[in-house]
Amino acid sequence: DAGVIQSPRHEVTEMGQEVTLRCKPISGHNSLFWYRQTMMRGLELLIYFNNNVPIDDSGMPEDRFSAKMPNASFSTLKIQPSEPRDSAVYFCASSLGTGRADTQYFGPGTRLTVL
Amino acid sequence: GENVEQHPSTLSVQEGDSAVIKCTYSDSASNYFPWYKQELGKRPQLIIDIRSNVGEKKDQRIAVTLNKTAKHFSLHITETQPEDSAVYFCAASYTGGGNKLTFGTGTQLKVEL
Repeated sequence: DAGVIQSPRHEVTEMGQEVTLRCKPISGHNSLFWYRQTMMRGLELLIYFNNNVPIDDSGMPEDRFSAKMPNASFSTLKIQPSEPRDSAVYFCASSLGTGRADTQYFGPGTRLTVL
Repeated sequence: GENVEQHPSTLSVQEGDSAVIKCTYSDSASNYFPWYKQELGKRPQLIIDIRSNVGEKKDQRIAVTLNKTAKHFSLHITETQPEDSAVYFCAASYTGGGNKLTFGTGTQLKVEL
């Protein structure tokens, strides 16, 4: 099993540009989570999906952020327009989503730098 | 919503000593408590978890205890080694909550030679 796959691993962009982060969950997992990690705010849940449906997006900081999951094997997190304060490591995680609280497996993360 | 507090924020121990990290949670419905280890520049990885139907769980040098009445749980690492140096996160979740994890703020553990 390849685990959770994220791309790109590093992204450097200029303020105002659109950024798209990608995630492929572990095959057979029904839940997918997007997190942001910074020194100041720690590990924050942005949004999560069950069976491709967004369940809770209360962590999405503002309208500049959007996430989609068009099918069970792919999700995107988009920031448009990007700002320097969006610089962080963005993790995607997946879990079985059986209905019982279960283990989340994290991807390697995307380190985003907005200049 | 759930709130998880974690202490201490930094912990320095001598190699071979024990390390204890403590977390408290606010939502009595929480019933799943994982611990993640994150090495510098790497992803968080699960090291041990416990469910509310047990009070203690052990895996080699790592153990977790849970006190549901007091709403706190702790990570114990015995015979610490330099490779234990990392940031440790506790988290809480509950069945029916969509498997949404609420994380603590992390503990930077440093094991000194």
